[in-house]
Amino acid sequence: QSVLTQPPSVSAAPGQKVTISCSGSSSNIGNNYVCWYQHLPGTAPKLLIYDNNKRPSGIPDRFSGANSGTSATLGITGLQTGDEADYYCGAWDGSLSAYVFGTGTKVTVL
Amino acid sequence: EVQLVESGGGLVQPGGSLRLSCAGSGFTFSSYWMTWVRQAPGKGLEWVANIKQDASEIYYVDSVKGRFTISRDNAKNSMYLQMNSLRAEDTAVYYCARAPHSSSSSWGQGTLVTVSS
Repeated sequence: QSVLTQPPSVSAAPGQKVTISCSGSSSNIGNNYVCWYQHLPGTAPKLLIYDNNKRPSGIPDRFSGANSGTSATLGITGLQTGDEADYYCGAWDGSLSAYVFGTGTKVTVL
Repeated sequence: EVQLVESGGGLVQPGGSLRLSCAGSGFTFSSYWMTWVRQAPGKGLEWVANIKQDASEIYYVDSVKGRFTISRDNAKNSMYLQMNSLRAEDTAVYYCARAPHSSSSSWGQGTLVTVSS
């Protein structure tokens, strides 16, 4: 059972914006950097955001990350059909001495 | 071009063992933390273990402690996951990743491990 909680699904029309929340605690999000990953099952996961709000080279600025206390948020603007995937937050958990992923959120483009 | 290629997956009976390998190329393997992540059928991503550049730090998820061993051979640009006492719940696609939480993040395509009688 994951210690990072995400909504199971979010959806919006093409061109619209979605936000995905990730709720944790002081042992993970509250004191460690958050990452966000995009994943299509059977393919390699892709890092979208690291260090809470930084984008690796090649990731468009339609993807953004933000933190507030023990929660984090991924924003996707200008939604495209190619954005349909599962999205996971992740952070190191100091109490567990382990990295933890969120429960995952499926993004559907209507 | 950075490449990570997993191998060693397959079908194994409960209680059996399997050794996964991850071969890296296109980068200085010895400079990076390496990680194993898995995804069970119909489930989310689960971090399994990671290992520091010189293997001086190693961490495991609680569910595999005492059963799995992560290791690396920098001379061979390779990382390994020795999996013993396998259980049905270990059935998953196993991904190897280079520094997955940093701007240097890179992932392999995964190898399937099925634990079944």
